[in-house]
Amino acid sequence: AQSVTQPDIHITVSEGASLELRCNYSYGATPYLFWYVQSPGQGLQLLLKYFSGDTLVQGIKGFEAEFKRSQSSFNLRKPSVHWSDAAEYFCAVGALDSGYALNFGKGTSLLVTP
Amino acid sequence: SQTIHQWPATLVQPVGSPLSLECTVEGTSNPNLYWYRQAAGRGLQLLFYSVGIGQISSEVPQNLSASRPQDRQFILSSKKLLLSDSGFYLCAWSVLGIYGYTFGSGTRLTVV
Repeated sequence: AQSVTQPDIHITVSEGASLELRCNYSYGATPYLFWYVQSPGQGLQLLLKYFSGDTLVQGIKGFEAEFKRSQSSFNLRKPSVHWSDAAEYFCAVGALDSGYALNFGKGTSLLVTP
Repeated sequence: SQTIHQWPATLVQPVGSPLSLECTVEGTSNPNLYWYRQAAGRGLQLLFYSVGIGQISSEVPQNLSASRPQDRQFILSSKKLLLSDSGFYLCAWSVLGIYGYTFGSGTRLTVV
């Protein structure tokens, strides 16, 4: 079955520093991959998604992610983090055998320090 | 436009009481519908999904049930709530996953 691993539970970065959040997936075919962000007490907002084509995907709020099939990874990056980026980030893979439901990683909590 | 409505936003219920959370979708037909739960400090767990009216698949055994009485209506229910049912419940829809997923704003359920 499809699964997603986010190895980092918490990450702390300084404002203005670069960010990379890791995501590894397990899937037999080309996956549908997503990154979502959740601010405290809020719902989920889609940052970006990958279905096919260019492996470098641009998203909202200055985020990008790169699909690397050889490493089964879909890491999220941002060149310069803003304090407003502090939130919970979820990587997800579309599961074709569950009505195309999304399987989520456990999330990475991002703290941004001044 | 395509929207999803989920209510209520917050709910406090005593142990042993029933539960009914409703989710409705607008602007699309025959969507796949999903219920997720997010417990404190944990990721999002898929509870149920539905690919059509009356078709419900459960991903985990639990105290909850789901129904889809209409194409764009998805209901999460329980006859008797447990403390462990507390969490943040999210409804979502997609069309084969190809065009992405839309999530509701969620219901925060506290069982006391």
